[in-house]
Amino acid sequence: AQTVTQSQPEMSVQEAETVTLSCTYDTSESDYYLFWYKQPPSRQMILVIRQEAYKQQNATENRFSVNFQKAAKSFSLKISDSQLGDAAMYFCAYRSSNTGKLIFGQGTTLQVKP
Amino acid sequence: DVKVTQSSRYLVKRTGEKVFLECVQDMDHENMFWYRQDPGLGLRLIYFSYDVKMKEKGDIPEGYSVSREKKERFSLILESASTNQTSMYLCASSFGQNNSPLHFGNGTRLTVT
Repeated sequence: AQTVTQSQPEMSVQEAETVTLSCTYDTSESDYYLFWYKQPPSRQMILVIRQEAYKQQNATENRFSVNFQKAAKSFSLKISDSQLGDAAMYFCAYRSSNTGKLIFGQGTTLQVKP
Repeated sequence: DVKVTQSSRYLVKRTGEKVFLECVQDMDHENMFWYRQDPGLGLRLIYFSYDVKMKEKGDIPEGYSVSREKKERFSLILESASTNQTSMYLCASSFGQNNSPLHFGNGTRLTVT
C-alpha cells in the first residue's frame, strides 16, 4: 500500500522569504501523480501544484515550485517570496495510476510572520 | 467554477443514530471521494467512487457505507454513529483522468455525543 509522510507538523517563515515543505512517499508503482494542496484556516482545500511521475522536469506555478526526486521518493514544495496569504495547512498527496485512489500526508501548518 | 456542495456544515448526532452526509457536484465528474480529517492524521480516505453505482473501499471504511445512485451525488452513511466518528468530513470530486485535481467541498463537522 502507498503511504505519504510529511515530517514537519509546523513551519514558519518570514514574509518575503523562501520556505520548503517536505514530503516523502512510498510506492511500488512506477506511474503516479503527486499534488500539493493548501487549506487556509476555515476555508476550502485548493490545489497548489501537481507533478506527473513520468516527467523529469519539476513543476512550477508562479511562486510555488517542487523538487521531485523520483528515486528518493521525495516531493518537496518551495514557496518563494512568502506572503501572509500563504499561511495555511499544506497537504502532500499521491494518486495511483492503477486505482485512482488519492491519499494524503498528515499536513504541515505554515505560519507566515510579518 | 466547480462547485462541490456538502449538505451540512455542522451536525450533532447521538450515539447509535444513522447519519447521512450528502455531497453534490455540478461538473459531471466521474470520481467522487469521502475523507475524514483529524488533527495530526491528515486526510484519510473512507470510500471513493469512479462511476455511478461503483464504490471502492479506502483506508478506513469500517463503520461507513456509501451510495452513488446518480453521477452528481455521493452519500456517506454512518450506520450506527459512534463517538470515535466525531470528525471533519470532506467530500471531493474529479474527472476520471488520474492527473485531474480534486475539488473539495467545505466540509461537514460531525459531532457524535
